[in-house]
Amino acid sequence: AQTVTQSQPEMSVQEAETVTLSCTYDTSENNYYLFWYKQPPSRQMILVIRQEAYKQQNATENRFSVNFQKAAKSFSLKISDSQLGDTAMYFCAFIKAAGNKLTFGGGTRVLVKP
Amino acid sequence: SAVISQKPSRDICQRGTSLTIQCQVDSQVTMMFWYRQQPGQSLTLIATANQGSEATYESGFVIDKFPISRPNLTFSTLTVSNMSPEDSSIYLCSVKGRNTEAFFGQGTRLTVV
Repeated sequence: AQTVTQSQPEMSVQEAETVTLSCTYDTSENNYYLFWYKQPPSRQMILVIRQEAYKQQNATENRFSVNFQKAAKSFSLKISDSQLGDTAMYFCAFIKAAGNKLTFGGGTRVLVKP
Repeated sequence: SAVISQKPSRDICQRGTSLTIQCQVDSQVTMMFWYRQQPGQSLTLIATANQGSEATYESGFVIDKFPISRPNLTFSTLTVSNMSPEDSSIYLCSVKGRNTEAFFGQGTRLTVV
């Protein structure tokens, strides 16, 4: 079974600064996908970024980028130029390439301060 | 991407009653997923709903408590039966996208009093 661990329950960052969220996972699979989801107070789960395990290049989406270290089973998210709208819960998630079930980490609450 | 409409968005229910949550997708999908998110917690998969067959439940969840219907490829319902305060959670439906990512409905915030 897969497990996903987010070791930081809460992070705060000043507006325009950078914050990095950690995520580690455990799996015996070689092909899989990793995601970061954002959940603002509205409850809507929003996909932030997606990484395919067979791609060495780290995914980037505007101000969001990941540091994917496959050997270390690490998948951190960097939020650059933080904005007030980035305040939310962030969940790291894992799915096997041929699977259907997402496994979520416990979440990290990010607070962006003005 | 898929657009998922989920309702109700929130409800306050008396213990012992049941609530049915609806999930409508704007495209046909083979599988729909139902998650529970207890206060301050992460998402836990309740069951996978396939059209034309019974839902597959995860460990710790049973059909009598969480009956699911899947009458067609764009719609599903989850019922939370005989509710107790411990059932107070956010319930979310989800579908799998073309690129393996999951798309979610807006969630239903359930409070049982």
